[in-house]
Amino acid sequence: GAVVSQHPSWVICKSGTSVKIECRSLDFQATTMFWYRQFPKQSLMLMATSNEGSKATYEQGVEKDKFLINHASLTLSTLTVTSAHPEDSSFYICSADRGPKNIQYFGAGTRLSVL
Amino acid sequence: DQQVKQNSPSLSVQEGRISILNCDYTNSMFDYFLWYKKYPAEGPTFLISISSIKDKNEDGRFTVFLNKSAKHLSLHIVPSQPGDSAVYFCAAKDQGAQKLVFGQGTRLTINP
Repeated sequence: GAVVSQHPSWVICKSGTSVKIECRSLDFQATTMFWYRQFPKQSLMLMATSNEGSKATYEQGVEKDKFLINHASLTLSTLTVTSAHPEDSSFYICSADRGPKNIQYFGAGTRLSVL
Repeated sequence: DQQVKQNSPSLSVQEGRISILNCDYTNSMFDYFLWYKKYPAEGPTFLISISSIKDKNEDGRFTVFLNKSAKHLSLHIVPSQPGDSAVYFCAAKDQGAQKLVFGQGTRLTINP
């Protein structure tokens, strides 16, 4: 299957700092990437859809100024959690859309812990 | 509003037997369905998918069945193996849409 790399896998930061998470499609070009958040023992919650060269589309209730998404190339999308607070601690997962059936392939996820 | 529901949070099956995971949906506009497998602290791995024009798709030990009239799909794993122990998510996609809607997941445990 397609390979999607996500980095870092785990990050611990102090409250008030910003954290950047990278998502790369390694063996295909991804026009569209997605960012999810997963709370313990819950489903994946879509945060935003990232389209290369354009602004991301955020789901209802997701603060776009808090979760900055940049999709500057066909193989890289980044999620920056700005001024992180303990309630932002979660598991963040990215995925990339690969056609023609638009199956999403997922990265390994990033565990964010905000102290 | 939970458009994709997996009503069984957990399922325990003996090794070698059949595992059946169920998923219900409410949105009749969904036209593509997928199953993902997820281990703890990892991203989901794509398993198998089915288009709404079909009622069955098979890939090795995995078979997905779709009953459109009942808005129900199921994943059959046979024979079940210890490595199949994981959380399984079903997901659905709307016609022309890019994003997936996920169910809550079912934790499958295969007992030796």
